[in-house]
Amino acid sequence: AQSVAQPEDQVNVAEGNPLTVKCTYSVSGNPYLFWYVQYPNRGLQFLLKYITGDNLVKGSYGFEAEFNKSQTSFHLKKPSALVSDSALYFCAVRDTGGRRALTFGSGTRLQVQP
Amino acid sequence: SQTIHQWPATLVQPVGSPLSLECTVEGTSNPNLYWYRQAAGRGLQLLFYSVGIGQISSEVPQNLSASRPQDRQFILSSKKLLLSDSGFYLCAWSSPGPTHNEQFFGPGTRLTVL
Repeated sequence: AQSVAQPEDQVNVAEGNPLTVKCTYSVSGNPYLFWYVQYPNRGLQFLLKYITGDNLVKGSYGFEAEFNKSQTSFHLKKPSALVSDSALYFCAVRDTGGRRALTFGSGTRLQVQP
Repeated sequence: SQTIHQWPATLVQPVGSPLSLECTVEGTSNPNLYWYRQAAGRGLQLLFYSVGIGQISSEVPQNLSASRPQDRQFILSSKKLLLSDSGFYLCAWSSPGPTHNEQFFGPGTRLTVL
């Protein structure tokens, strides 16, 4: 069965500094990986996805993620954090087996301090 | 462009009462539809998904049921709510076809069972 791990409950970073939110996965076959962001009392917003090709994926709001097959990781990054980036971030992997649903990690709360 | 609606936005219901949450999608045809529950502002649990009218797959045995009476309408129901049904319910859609299509989420319904 596939799974996603987000080892950090919370990440704190100062505004203007680079940020990284970690994600590791376990899946049989080729992974389809996604990052979503959730603001308080809102639905999830899609940020980016990795399907195949270039290991560095660029997404919305200046975010990018690096796929590393040997480390089974898909860390989310941004060169310069904004206070408005403070939110809950979810990594997800598309299920194998044909059901097309996503398996989500437990989420990481990003706090950007001014 | 595509949009997804959920209503109501918030709901407070007594234990033992029935439930009906509605999700509709505009601007696309034959979408895959999903119901998730998010407890305590963290991880998402897939409840149901549907690849077509009348086709419902249940992920977790529980007090809830889902129906898809129309192509772009997805309903989550219960005959008798339990305290443990409280949570944030999210509907999502994805395009049919490639299984790596991202999911797009609605604004959610906050359900409190008292």
